[in-house]
Amino acid sequence: QQQVKQSPQSLIVQKGGISIINCAYENTAFDYFPWYQQFPGKGPALLIAIRPDVSEKKEGRFTISFNKSAKQFSLHIMDSQPGDSATYFCAASIEYGNKLVFGAGTILRVKS
Amino acid sequence: EAQVTQNPRYLITVTGKKLTVTCSQNMNHEYMSWYRQDPGLGLRQIYYSMNVEVTDKGDVPEGYKVSRKEKRNFPLILESPSPNQTSLYFCASSPRTSGKSEQYFGPGTRLTVT
Repeated sequence: QQQVKQSPQSLIVQKGGISIINCAYENTAFDYFPWYQQFPGKGPALLIAIRPDVSEKKEGRFTISFNKSAKQFSLHIMDSQPGDSATYFCAASIEYGNKLVFGAGTILRVKS
Repeated sequence: EAQVTQNPRYLITVTGKKLTVTCSQNMNHEYMSWYRQDPGLGLRQIYYSMNVEVTDKGDVPEGYKVSRKEKRNFPLILESPSPNQTSLYFCASSPRTSGKSEQYFGPGTRLTVT
């Protein structure tokens, strides 16, 4: 069974809009929650990550919101651009992210 | 340039014919891992290695073997491939130093087993 559940499977957003992808987990031992971005024909690349001692982390247009009590975290992409069109994976791990468990992925398309 | 390389990038083979996918990193990373990516399932870990001569099973190890004789190389071996191993495979490495946990992925190997 999927240890990290990700939704939606796909998402279409207008240019300039906000993209929101959600993830939920069960294992309370997870202590590292990264998001990876994957463009077609490429390997995933780290986008942004958070540890459970903070509720939010922002890097440019990308923000992770983390709700420890609900065991949920989400990625918000502000002012979405066509260049953001990619597959996004949430993940979780114990011990500094070496044994990552990934969500199923969300295919984001930003329409210009 | 710091990178993870995989070869081949594309491979079509037949059931039962042994194959090896190579993975090499030039960043002196201790940790290396193999994943397979399937639609609707995300990336699932096959095997990982904490350091030379130290390997362990991930979530989907059946039908695969690995070895870590050198720090930079981590080949994935399919002794008798089957059609259900048709997938997109990624190798990744990580420095494993305190507070630094980013995994660097290779470009992927698309394998088709007929």
